[in-house]
Amino acid sequence: QSALTQPASVSGSPGQSITISCTGTSSDVGNYNLVSWYQQYPGEAPKLMIYEGSKRPSGTSNRFSGSKSGNTASLTISGLQAEDEADYYCCSYVGSGTWVFGGGTKLTVL
Amino acid sequence: EVQLVESGGALVQPGGSLKLSCAASGFTFSGSAMHWVRQASGKGLEWVGRIRSKANSYATAYAASVKGRFTISRDDSKNTAYLQMNSLKTEDTAVYYCTRPNERDAFDIWGQGTMVTVS
Repeated sequence: QSALTQPASVSGSPGQSITISCTGTSSDVGNYNLVSWYQQYPGEAPKLMIYEGSKRPSGTSNRFSGSKSGNTASLTISGLQAEDEADYYCCSYVGSGTWVFGGGTKLTVL
Repeated sequence: EVQLVESGGALVQPGGSLKLSCAASGFTFSGSAMHWVRQASGKGLEWVGRIRSKANSYATAYAASVKGRFTISRDDSKNTAYLQMNSLKTEDTAVYYCTRPNERDAFDIWGQGTMVTVS
C-alpha cells in the first residue's frame, strides 16, 4: 500500500487560511469515511486533530476543519497562528484491517 | 489519566530480534484495539500493524513491509501490548509508537515512543 500523497510543505502568514491536501485512491480515501489528521511537533508524539474526515475531537480548535471530495481529503486551518507551525499527517483505512499515512506536510507560519 | 508507555527500544544488529512493550492505563485496555506506528528520523509516520480485542478474536493485521517478520500480541491481564520484531533490517530503524484508536477508528491516544536502532 503506497503512502497517501501530501504536499511536502505549505506556508501562510498569521491570520491567513491554508489547506493541506491528501490524495489517495478509490481503494482508500475514496472508499471509506475514515480519514483522520494528525499534528506533530518535533520530538513529540502525533496529536489527533480531525477524524472521520471532518469531525473535531473535543479540545481541537474550530480553526481546524476537514473535508473530502472523491479520493482527496483536505485539512484547512483558518486564522493561522504561530503555534500551528508543525507537521501534519493524514491517515486512511485501506481495508483488510490495514491503514496508511500520508507522507506528511510541514506547515510554516511566516 | 489515560496513558500509553512504550519500552524495550534498543540497538540491535541486522537480523536480530527485539520485543517492544506498550503499557496502558486509564482506560479499558481489554476492549480496545491497539496499533503500532513507526517514524524514521526525519521521515513520516508509517502504520505498522494492529491487534483487536478478545471480542474480535485478537485479529491482527500488518503493513506489507513488516508482514512475516513482526508479530503483535497482547496480555489483557497486564494491560500491555507487544511488538515482536524478528529479522530486523536497517530500514526498521525508527521511533516506534503504540496508539489506541477511538470508537471512530482514529488514533486519539499515543505513547511517547521508543527508539529502535538496527545497525
